Amino acid sequence: DVVMTQSPLSLPVTLGQPASISCRSSQSLVYSDGNTYLNWFQQRPGQSPRRLIYKVSNRDSGVPDRFSGSGSGTDFTLKISRVEAEDVGVYYCMQGTHLYSFGQGTKLEIK
Amino acid sequence: QVQLQESGPGLVKPSQTLSLTCTVSGGSISSGSYYWSWIRQPAGKGLEWIGRIYTSGSTNYNPSLKSRVTISVDTSKNQFSLKLSSVTAADTAVYYCASDPGHGSFDYWGQGTLVTVSS
Repeated sequence: DVVMTQSPLSLPVTLGQPASISCRSSQSLVYSDGNTYLNWFQQRPGQSPRRLIYKVSNRDSGVPDRFSGSGSGTDFTLKISRVEAEDVGVYYCMQGTHLYSFGQGTKLEIK
Repeated sequence: QVQLQESGPGLVKPSQTLSLTCTVSGGSISSGSYYWSWIRQPAGKGLEWIGRIYTSGSTNYNPSLKSRVTISVDTSKNQFSLKLSSVTAADTAVYYCASDPGHGSFDYWGQGTLVTVSS
């Protein structure tokens, strides 16, 4: 099984400041077709998760461009350039290369 | 836009079988190359993928749950279903259904339904 490890698990951020979440996989996420299936989801309080980014760096429509994803192989990062109040919630990375598995989640809160 | 809605009993007794249905609207469950997944979340905890079914009916399950899970599809009703047998309190969670164009890129989610396992 592929284990996804996120850090930090808790992320207090001042409004307007940047934030960064790390996600590491126990195996390479490069699939046989050459793609890397690493997705990011946001779960706001009391809501269902919502996809933010797929295949490492592809931002979904409607997702603000302050969100960006990067990485390769086993190391990935979600960055928020300037945190806004609506960004509060839990962020999950998830790999879709070796069946599926989620990271533990990172709880972003405003300082 | 595709919408998904979970339904089923909110309370299940220990050792019994949990049964949930996800109804898909705004699109046909059998059109396109889509998977349909179940995911759960215990209170205050993270997300756990349970399993998926393809439009052809082929399935894949989380190895940790495989012996107890069955996912099926009813294309005539535009629904897919989850059965989880021999439940315990550890199976108490919010259960979500989601559409998946492949490789876990879940693009639409249901609102989730809480299932409590208790006598």
